Amino acid sequence: AQKVTQAQTEISVVEKEDVTLDCVYETRDTTYYLFWYKQPPSGELVFLIRRNSFDEQNEISGRYSWNFQKSTSSFNFTITASQVVDSAVYFCALQMDSSYKLIFGSGTRLLVRP
Amino acid sequence: DAGVIQSPRHEVTEMGQEVTLRCKPISGHDYLFWYRQTMMRGLELLIYFNNNVPIDDSGMPEDRFSAKMPNASFSTLKIQPSEPRDSAVYFCASSLATGPPAFFGQGTRLTVV
Repeated sequence: AQKVTQAQTEISVVEKEDVTLDCVYETRDTTYYLFWYKQPPSGELVFLIRRNSFDEQNEISGRYSWNFQKSTSSFNFTITASQVVDSAVYFCALQMDSSYKLIFGSGTRLLVRP
Repeated sequence: DAGVIQSPRHEVTEMGQEVTLRCKPISGHDYLFWYRQTMMRGLELLIYFNNNVPIDDSGMPEDRFSAKMPNASFSTLKIQPSEPRDSAVYFCASSLATGPPAFFGQGTRLTVV
């Protein structure tokens, strides 16, 4: 069975701190995709990144970086020098190549305090 | 592009009434998805279409729920009759046939009283 676990329910940091959001996934498929979505207080779901299972290269986009490790089935997300605007719920998701269904984790609520 | 457009943004209805949620996917996208978000169950897929044809409706909770996609630019999710436990945020999303990601609309917050 496929599953995504985000063990951190809530994280609170002070602005400019670095913060890492954890994501652990389970699948027996060899081909799959991993995603991060952001849900700000306004409620929409914003796509942040996609990774496929054959690409373990880490990625950096501005203050955001992602660490994909197949050996530990993890796809962690780090925000460097956090800002108040980063406050949101962040979802990690898994999609198998054989299906278009997204399997979401339960989300991590990030609060960045000024 | 305008993105995925959902209407209404908010809907309050009385138990037993019919509710229709609407979605316009991103132009050119071949796949359309309906997800539901609740506190108890998180984000879960209800149904998805490929080229207007339903592919997987295993997530539809019961016969009170139905979804249609009469053309490539419009889909509806209908609940009849509605119940208080249907209260949730319903998201529509679309993606290309070439692969993910799925892009989401702003959601419809449904409250059944």
